[in-house]
Amino acid sequence: GNSVTQMEGPVTLSEEAFLTINCTYTATGYPSLFWYVQYPGEGLQLLLKATKADDKGSNKGFEATYRKETTSFHLEKGSVQVSDSAVYFCALTEPPGGSEKLVFGKGTKLTVNP
Amino acid sequence: NAGVTQTPKFRILKIGQSMTLQCTQDMNHNYMYWYRQDPGMGLKLIYYSVGAGITDKGEVPNGYNVSRSTTEDFPLRLELAAPSQTSVYFCASSPTRSIADTQYFGPGTRLTVL
Repeated sequence: GNSVTQMEGPVTLSEEAFLTINCTYTATGYPSLFWYVQYPGEGLQLLLKATKADDKGSNKGFEATYRKETTSFHLEKGSVQVSDSAVYFCALTEPPGGSEKLVFGKGTKLTVNP
Repeated sequence: NAGVTQTPKFRILKIGQSMTLQCTQDMNHNYMYWYRQDPGMGLKLIYYSVGAGITDKGEVPNGYNVSRSTTEDFPLRLELAAPSQTSVYFCASSPTRSIADTQYFGPGTRLTVL
């Protein structure tokens, strides 16, 4: 079945460091891809999304590009802040093409120190 | 704007007890979802609903029941609580069928079964 694999955490960075969180997927067809963020004690919030190959999603300084050839959707940010400390989830639609269901990765916990 | 609200925030149950987790949204969304999030894992879909009176099973429905009598409410019922149901439960809603549109998540209910 369809699945999402994220890099294992936790990830600890200093403020203003560069962030990459790797995400690869296995899916039939062409799913939509998402990054969700979960701040401590809160529910998930959509961070960014991409619905077709080569699309770049971006929000709050974060970016991710839908790479069909490598089945990847890595999350990047050039300069992280303490307020970015959260758990980040990569997800895809199942089945591809706009369904009711999301498949999530296990999440990557990011801690940013001042 | 309240968005998606969940009650209670925390609950401890004994094995065999029953309870209902409440979920309400005020955005007039037709699509609603229940997920569970186990420690260190991504979210898994329990049940979903595409409108009042219509529900369907997700990936992990065993031990749960749902109903959707109104557009606003989507309660999740645990009939015979088991330790394996210890988890954080998230309710979500979406305006359309397409997951490419944003899913709005509630803050979660942390359930412990002892």
